Amino acid sequence: QVTLRESGPALVKPTQTLTLTCTFSGFSLSTSGMCVSWVRQPPGKALEWLALIDWDDDKYYSTSLKTRLTISKDTSKNQVVLTMTNMDPVDTATYYCARLYYDILTGYVPFDYWGQGTLVTVSS
Amino acid sequence: SSELTQDPAVSVALGQTVRITCQGDSLRSYYASWYQQKPGQAPVLVIYGKNNRPSGIPDRFSGSSSGNTASLTITGAQAEDEADYYCNSRDSSGNIWVFGGGTKLTVL
Repeated sequence: QVTLRESGPALVKPTQTLTLTCTFSGFSLSTSGMCVSWVRQPPGKALEWLALIDWDDDKYYSTSLKTRLTISKDTSKNQVVLTMTNMDPVDTATYYCARLYYDILTGYVPFDYWGQGTLVTVSS
Repeated sequence: SSELTQDPAVSVALGQTVRITCQGDSLRSYYASWYQQKPGQAPVLVIYGKNNRPSGIPDRFSGSSSGNTASLTITGAQAEDEADYYCNSRDSSGNIWVFGGGTKLTVL
């Protein structure tokens, strides 16, 4: 059974750095084709893709946020960590992690499992 | 281009068929995937690839694509299908993922 769970602070101050951890089970990020991604959703607004890390430790970032984001993995702990620097009130959102994998027969299976999300509020 | 455009809102009578569309240049090269999101819940994948449904997704959900437009069709919409629907695909580089702005589906 695949599960993902996000954890991190519920409240951060402007200019601070946010660190979120995605702890997953039911799959391994050392398996070829496997990826974990971060997606966020401001209250009442649309989903926004943030970053992705794959089994080969390749990393990809949203063009608009790439200077502020860092994604990393600890395969032994089944965790993926996202850091976002210089937080601003507009970054207030629910942050999700989700699995994505590449299947040789069907191609990408994007975001088939999601965590429940963690709400991060940026306020002084 | 990295944008995916969706109509903000669509309505359908109970039991009728509705099509939700997603437009973007990258859809000429990459398939769209579709997600259903109900209030207070995480998104759920309903369609991916050419027209694949994950286990547990009813067969009234189907996907198609033509040119720069991908479509999600619900044939015989049910009350429980009322939700926000998001499309997703890759941009022209193939390495950046993008979500559409979402479509709020109302079942009348």
